[in-house]
Amino acid sequence: GDSVTQMEGPVTLSEEAFLTINCTYTATGYPSLFWYVQYPGEGLQLLLKATKADDKGSNKGFEATYRKETTSFHLEKGSVQVSDSAVYFCALSDRGGSEKLVFGKGTKLTVNP
Amino acid sequence: DAGVIQSPRHEVTEMGQEVTLRCKPISGHDYLFWYRQTMMRGLELLIYFNNNVPIDDSGMPEDRFSAKMPNASFSTLKIQPSEPRDSAVYFCASSSTSGGGETQYFGPGTRLLVL
Repeated sequence: GDSVTQMEGPVTLSEEAFLTINCTYTATGYPSLFWYVQYPGEGLQLLLKATKADDKGSNKGFEATYRKETTSFHLEKGSVQVSDSAVYFCALSDRGGSEKLVFGKGTKLTVNP
Repeated sequence: DAGVIQSPRHEVTEMGQEVTLRCKPISGHDYLFWYRQTMMRGLELLIYFNNNVPIDDSGMPEDRFSAKMPNASFSTLKIQPSEPRDSAVYFCASSSTSGGGETQYFGPGTRLLVL
């Protein structure tokens, strides 16, 4: 079945450092890809998404590009802030239309001042 | 927009007791999802509904778990009897097929502790 593999955390960075969180997927068909973020004590919220190959999703300085040839959707940010400390989840939707999401296990990011 | 509303936010109960978790999706959304999150197993989809009808309950761990959606604005997840291994954070999420769909909106979660 469909699956998502994320780099294992936790990841600890200093403020203004560059961030990469790797995500690869296995799916039949052409999934939509997502990054969700979970701040402490809260539910998940959508950070960015891409619906087809070579699309780039971006939000709040975060970016991810849908790479079909490498089945990847790596999350990047050029300069992290303390407020970016959270758990990040990569996910796919195999129908791209409100069907169920398959989530990775999450990567915890801590940014120190 | 009030977002997805879940109640209670915290629940502490004793093993063997019945637990009912509640969810009010965003108005107009036609999909509703129930998830469970634990440190060991991560985020698991338990069941989801479309237009109040259960579509996939393959993630429901066992017969002790049941979920209902009597109308478009309310859903419950019931555990009877509860066990310590049910301790987790339970999330409800909703989404809409209109306007493209795809994005799921999560509630704040219910933290359940079974003693």
